[in-house]
Amino acid sequence: DTAVSQTPKYLVTQMGNDKSIKCEQNLGHDTMYWYKQDSKKFLKIMFSYNNKELIINETVPNRFSPKSPDKAHLNLHINSLELGDSAVYFCASSLQSTGNYGYTFGSGTRLTVV
Amino acid sequence: DAKTTQPPSMDCAEGRAANLPCNHSTISGNEYVYWYRQIHSQGPQYIIHGLKNNETNEMASLIITEDRKSSTLILPHATLRDTAVYYCIVRGYYGNNRLAFGKGNQVVVIP
Repeated sequence: DTAVSQTPKYLVTQMGNDKSIKCEQNLGHDTMYWYKQDSKKFLKIMFSYNNKELIINETVPNRFSPKSPDKAHLNLHINSLELGDSAVYFCASSLQSTGNYGYTFGSGTRLTVV
Repeated sequence: DAKTTQPPSMDCAEGRAANLPCNHSTISGNEYVYWYRQIHSQGPQYIIHGLKNNETNEMASLIITEDRKSSTLILPHATLRDTAVYYCIVRGYYGNNRLAFGKGNQVVVIP
């Protein structure tokens, strides 16, 4: 059983399209995150949800909209995709947003915008 | 803003202990030191974390200096599968403190 699972693993799409990436965790964690890893391999946090409530929202274009239907799921919807959105997106979860809890990461979704 | 400094890369001999250094001279009292690694094309993997005492688990040991301004991650018997980018991260205990990744240390284990 995969602890943090993301779908799809690969996504190739054209500029201007709208796409979603799904993430689910079966660890019973309260907090989930989206990270973006660009071509230079820098990992940057985008969003964090704690019990379905948005708690971290970094400087991310409005075209990116996270949605958390319940605390086990955090989806990422991207509107009007641009070439610069090409990256690997990682979902992660932790037991809580505070304290000394480690994060568990998914295996990533490689998004390629052409 | 990077709170930690690591060498950009290092090589280690297979079967030997690998000592990965990290400087965090501005660490504050409630901040923990975390280590993660990312093997090529995979998600980051938690290794170990500590506050001020040395820590050990099945993967590695973490040695934190008494002044807490630096630490060393020790992989006791490096294998080829330990080749990865290793991240040393300082993270506070309180508040919604995110795990902020720096550039990391590309460690290559050589046969």
